[in-house]
Amino acid sequence: AQTVTQSQPEMSVQEAETVTLSCTYDTSESDYYLFWYKQPPSRQMILVIRQEAYKQQNATENRFSVNFQKAAKSFSLKISDSQLGDAAMYFCAYSTNAGKSTFGDGTTLTVKP
Amino acid sequence: GAVVSQHPSWVICKSGTSVKIECRSLDFQATTMFWYRQFPKQSLMLMATSNEGSKATYEQGVEKDKFLIYHASLTLSTLTVTSAHPEDSSFYICSSRTSGMSAETQYFGPGTRLLVL
Repeated sequence: AQTVTQSQPEMSVQEAETVTLSCTYDTSESDYYLFWYKQPPSRQMILVIRQEAYKQQNATENRFSVNFQKAAKSFSLKISDSQLGDAAMYFCAYSTNAGKSTFGDGTTLTVKP
Repeated sequence: GAVVSQHPSWVICKSGTSVKIECRSLDFQATTMFWYRQFPKQSLMLMATSNEGSKATYEQGVEKDKFLIYHASLTLSTLTVTSAHPEDSSFYICSSRTSGMSAETQYFGPGTRLLVL
């Protein structure tokens, strides 16, 4: 079974600064997908960024980028120029080709003005 | 992007009653939908996979007779919590994907908050 570990229950960052959220996973599969989701107080899950395991290039989406280390099974999220609206719970998730997802326990991000 | 709705957004019921939650994909056909349960400040736990035209596949430890899932059409899946008890109180989230999408595309509903008194 796949497992996803987020070792940082809480993180804080100063507005406009950069923060990195950690995620490791365990799987015996070679083809899979990794995601970071944001869950604000409304609890609506919002896709932040995705990474296909077969791609070596790290995914980027504006201020969000990942550091994907397949051999180490590590998938960290970097948020640059943090904004107050980035405050939320962030979940790292692993997905099989069939879309079946396993989520980490989440990291609560606080952005300080 | 694609929109997934859930109804109701929140529900309060008495212990022993049954509650039905609907999950609809509004602008695409979803051959597969997933149902998750989330406790406050905790992770999403996959309960079951709902496939159009076949029985749902339940995760280990999830009672299929307790949580009835029916994929009524390509745009609708329902989760019925039967004989609800206070321990069933939780936040239930659905997500949808189609066979035409890669596994990387999954859209989440806004969730349903269930409180059983």
